[in-house]
Amino acid sequence: QVQLVQSGAEVKKPGASVKASCKASGYTFTDYYIHWVRQAPGHGLEWMGWINPNSGGTSYAQKFQGRVTVTRDTSISTAYMELSRLTSDDTAVYYCARTTAHSLFDCWGQGVLVTVSS
Amino acid sequence: QSALTQPPSASGSPGQSVTISCTGTSSDVGGYNYVSWYQQHPGQAPKLLIYDVSKRPSGVPDRFSGSKSGNTASLTVSGLQAEDEADYYCSSYGGSNNDVFGTGTKVTVL
Repeated sequence: QVQLVQSGAEVKKPGASVKASCKASGYTFTDYYIHWVRQAPGHGLEWMGWINPNSGGTSYAQKFQGRVTVTRDTSISTAYMELSRLTSDDTAVYYCARTTAHSLFDCWGQGVLVTVSS
Repeated sequence: QSALTQPPSASGSPGQSVTISCTGTSSDVGGYNYVSWYQQHPGQAPKLLIYDVSKRPSGVPDRFSGSKSGNTASLTVSGLQAEDEADYYCSSYGGSNNDVFGTGTKVTVL
């Protein structure tokens, strides 16, 4: 079955970077975009950006431009999201999700909690 | 890109219907028929309910329906059941390779 499995929880200090992974299985990795969406505790969903696993092309929300980098390794069907210059406001669950068309997130990873604390 | 506006809460008794609105602009909701709806239970990842404004993926009950008028999309849950108690989010393509989510609505089954 189609599945996205994310890496484990992370604790980071302010100013550090975090790199989360998202391993796809059950489908051809290069056929569908992978997006990253985050959710701060008690808050709503926030779209961060996507990668086209086939070409490596990316697009990021303006809010995260210059601070987020999404990459992929097609040999292991895995996408990565790196967020730099972390602050406490970045404490959130980060989800990866597959899209089959514009804004059609049909499969989600289980989420990874990133805690930023001194 | 600003978040789409949803009411913070909605409620209904079992068997009743509840409708959730999702208001954007002509640059997102009003400009494209790429509106989706997601259900999220506590501690779980979101689940796709509706896509392309009104289409249901296989496995989603027909109690869930979507529509759009101008810059506002709506999700209606008919025949409310206890398991429908959850948070609901809309999303829309916003042009320029961007997507945007709604602020979320907590549905309570009384």
